[in-house]
Amino acid sequence: DGGITQSPKYLFRKEGQNVTLSCEQNLNHDAMYWYRQDPGQGLRLIYYSQIVNDFQKGDIAEGYSVSREKKESFPLTVTSAQKNPTAFYLCASSPGQGYYEQYFGPGTRLTVT
Amino acid sequence: AQRVTQPEKLLSVFKGAPVELKCNYSYSGSPELFWYVQYSRQRLQLLLRHISRESIKGFTADLNKGETSFHLKKPFAQEEDSAMYYCAPSYFGNEKLTFGTGTRLTIIP
Repeated sequence: DGGITQSPKYLFRKEGQNVTLSCEQNLNHDAMYWYRQDPGQGLRLIYYSQIVNDFQKGDIAEGYSVSREKKESFPLTVTSAQKNPTAFYLCASSPGQGYYEQYFGPGTRLTVT
Repeated sequence: AQRVTQPEKLLSVFKGAPVELKCNYSYSGSPELFWYVQYSRQRLQLLLRHISRESIKGFTADLNKGETSFHLKKPFAQEEDSAMYYCAPSYFGNEKLTFGTGTRLTIIP
């Protein structure tokens, strides 16, 4: 499976703390994405970046922040402002430039108590 | 707003029976359409895209613009088809995908 990695696999945090999820890819892809997966709700787009140093909000960006300082990295910070942070988070990348297939990482399950 | 509907959350089919997973989308224009699959303990991965008109693992999907549907079909289900399936359209020129809520397919031996 290689190519796109997420760490850690499981993450536990106390309410009120910010937490950063890692996403790295060595596929030389231009575009990267963060999704949240909840039972019965499918995948919902949080943020995406089509090029280094640029990113856009997705459908549920409130309470999250991202950065894209390097092509291979797209970390997601879940802030204390996110009301329901406990979820499974998926990172994906795609070649960009009109090529739509997205390649997914293994995911990080975040539990906030 | 863009909307994708997968009406069945759960679908159980006997091995050897035909399978149809429904997907309806509410876009104007000509979207690019995909089916993604997530097998147990594996990553979400692309199953097929309509523009390639391929048959992958025996699955096909036909775009019906009149009905705005992109149903996934397989004539004879196999046990290894048990998985979560997501329909995901995208507009040309916009690489974002909008995922449906998914259908969990279970093949009964």
